Amino acid sequence: AQSVTQLDSHVSVSEGTPVLLRCNYSSSYSPSLFWYVQHPNKGLQLLLKYTSAATLVKGINGFEAEFKKSETSFHLTKPSAHMSDAAEYFCVVLSGNTGKLIFGQGTTLQVKP
Amino acid sequence: KAGVTQTPRYLIKTRGQQVTLSCSPISGHRSVSWYQQTPGQGLQFLFEYFSETQRNKGNFPGRFSGRQFSNSRSEMNVSTLELGDSALYLCASSETRNTQYFGPGTRLTVL
Repeated sequence: AQSVTQLDSHVSVSEGTPVLLRCNYSSSYSPSLFWYVQHPNKGLQLLLKYTSAATLVKGINGFEAEFKKSETSFHLTKPSAHMSDAAEYFCVVLSGNTGKLIFGQGTTLQVKP
Repeated sequence: KAGVTQTPRYLIKTRGQQVTLSCSPISGHRSVSWYQQTPGQGLQFLFEYFSETQRNKGNFPGRFSGRQFSNSRSEMNVSTLELGDSALYLCASSETRNTQYFGPGTRLTVL
């Protein structure tokens, strides 16, 4: 069975500094992995997805993630945080060919001025 | 294209009542999935519909049901509401089942 674990429930950075949100996955085969962001009182917005093409995936708003099979990781990074990046971030794996998304518990990103 | 729309955005019900939530997918998307988001349990899969057929169901009681219409619009129904059903209900649509796009959600409060 597939699963994802987000290693930090809360990350705090200063504006202009790098962002790193960590995610490990468990899957018996090559997974489809996603990062979604949720701003307060909003739905989920797709940031990026990995579907077994390039291991370095670029997303919207300057975010990117690297798929590392040897480490079973899919960490999300951004070189320079902006105040508008403050939100909840979810690492997600697609469960086989079921159409069911399995979510991590989320990481709250706080950006300090 | 317009995004996924969900109506209503907010609902307040009392225990024992039933509720119906609606979701209109992105034009051309035939797959619709529903998720429940609560502070305690996080985001959990409810069910998935494709071409009016339920293809997959999560681990929720039978009080939770859904359907999909020929125009791909979907509804979910919760009967005999309980306090614990208070949540944000999110609908997602997809074209290929691989990438899902979410609506803004319906916030259900059960009193």
